Amino acid sequence: EPEVTQTPSHQVTQMGQEVILRCVPISNHLYFYWYRQILGQKVEFLVSFYNNEISEKSEIFDDQFSVERPDGSNFTLKIRSTKLEDSAMYFCASSLTAPSGGYEQYFGPGTRLTVT
Amino acid sequence: SQQGEEDPQALSIQEGENATMNCSYKTSINNLQWYRQNSGRGLVHLILIRSNEREKHSGRLRVTLDTSKKSSSLLITASRAADTASYFCATVSLGGFKTIFGAGTRLFVKA
Repeated sequence: EPEVTQTPSHQVTQMGQEVILRCVPISNHLYFYWYRQILGQKVEFLVSFYNNEISEKSEIFDDQFSVERPDGSNFTLKIRSTKLEDSAMYFCASSLTAPSGGYEQYFGPGTRLTVT
Repeated sequence: SQQGEEDPQALSIQEGENATMNCSYKTSINNLQWYRQNSGRGLVHLILIRSNEREKHSGRLRVTLDTSKKSSSLLITASRAADTASYFCATVSLGGFKTIFGAGTRLFVKA
């Protein structure tokens, strides 16, 4: 069964450093998402991406964040200057249609980001 | 803002019993989804119910949706120890791309 993969599984970085989290969505999917989950809290939407542009973003997704689909398979989340409060589990997801189309999102296993 | 909130926050039952979790939300939705998350792991999609549906079944899962009350319930019948996990409802607004997750219900099934 096709699955969403994410690398690395765990990333430790120092405050102020840039990090890039990588995801390989399911190959025929057209919509891509990033979410984060701070330990013990709810899953929070960050951004959705379709047709090579951001379709929606949350208040969390400020100028420090960016997303890119550099080729036909990868989808990345970049945090330019990490803060302690960016420590969280980051999940990538993909779907065939828009969420409002009633098609499920498939989630990757997550990247645990620890900012020290 | 649109928000899914589950209750109870935590639920502990014996294997073989049924588990019911509830979710409420605030705005008009296109669909509502339930996910499971095992500790420290990714989210697994369980079931999706559209706004024009009232009930849906999948194996031991039964989901209901009451759009007039803006609420949904997830019933897991004949629970197993392997069902121990956190369960989240998630809503998608009409025409939106954003999926909003609730705080989740932590289910513990004792063998």
